Amino acid sequence: ETGVTQSPTHLIKTRGQQVTLRCSSQSGHNTVSWYQQALGQGPQFIFQYYREEENGRGNFPPRFSGLQFPNYSSELNVNALELDDSALYLCASSLGGSSYEQYFGPGTRLTVT
Amino acid sequence: GQQLNQSPQSMFIQEGEDVSMNCTSSSIFNTWLWYKQDPGEGPVLLIALYKAGELTSNGRLTAQFGITRKDSFLNISASIPSDVGIYFCAGQLWDAGNNRKLIWGLGTSLAVNP
Repeated sequence: ETGVTQSPTHLIKTRGQQVTLRCSSQSGHNTVSWYQQALGQGPQFIFQYYREEENGRGNFPPRFSGLQFPNYSSELNVNALELDDSALYLCASSLGGSSYEQYFGPGTRLTVT
Repeated sequence: GQQLNQSPQSMFIQEGEDVSMNCTSSSIFNTWLWYKQDPGEGPVLLIALYKAGELTSNGRLTAQFGITRKDSFLNISASIPSDVGIYFCAGQLWDAGNNRKLIWGLGTSLAVNP
C-alpha cells in the first residue's frame, strides 16, 4: 500500500504567475482534500474532492481551483499568485463515508517572490 | 466561523514527564482527530475519536472525546525525545451545504529536554 505523494517538493514562482501542484492519494482512497499551511499556523482547508467532484470549500478565492481524476489523484491550481500564497500546501486522502481519517502527504513548499 | 482553541500553545518538559493538551470549541463536532507534525512534513494521524465520551489509546498516547462533543484532550505519558513536534487537534462537522468540514486548532509545540 503506497502512501500519499505530492509533487513537486519545492517551487519558486513570481507574483502573477500560475502554479499547478499534484497529489496521488493513498491506495484505496477516493477523497482528496487540499490545505494551505502558513509558517507557524495550522492547516487551512482549501477544498475537497470526492469521486471527481468538489464537495466542500473553505474561504479561498476562485483563483484556487482543483481537479480530481478517475484514479483519484488530484491537482491544485492557483492563478495570479500573490506573495501571501507562499506556504506549505498539503494534500490529504481519505476513504469517503462515515470515517474522516485523513492521511497527509509531505507537502509542497511554494515560495512566491 | 467555527474555531478551535488549542492549549497550551507550547510546552517545554523533561524527558519522562507526562504531557496534557486540549482543544475546546463553541461548536459541536462529530469526530475529533489528533495529529503530530514534524518540521517540513505533513501531519501524521495519531488518534481518531468518533463518539462522545470515547477514550482511546495508541501506545503512550491517550485521547478523549468530550461528553459535550465540544472538546477533546490528548495525554502523552513518559515523554521521550522523539515526541518533539507540533500536535494539532481537528474536529469534523457538517457545513451549511451538508459537506464534511475539518476545523483545525493552531497547534501545541512540544519540546522535550533529554
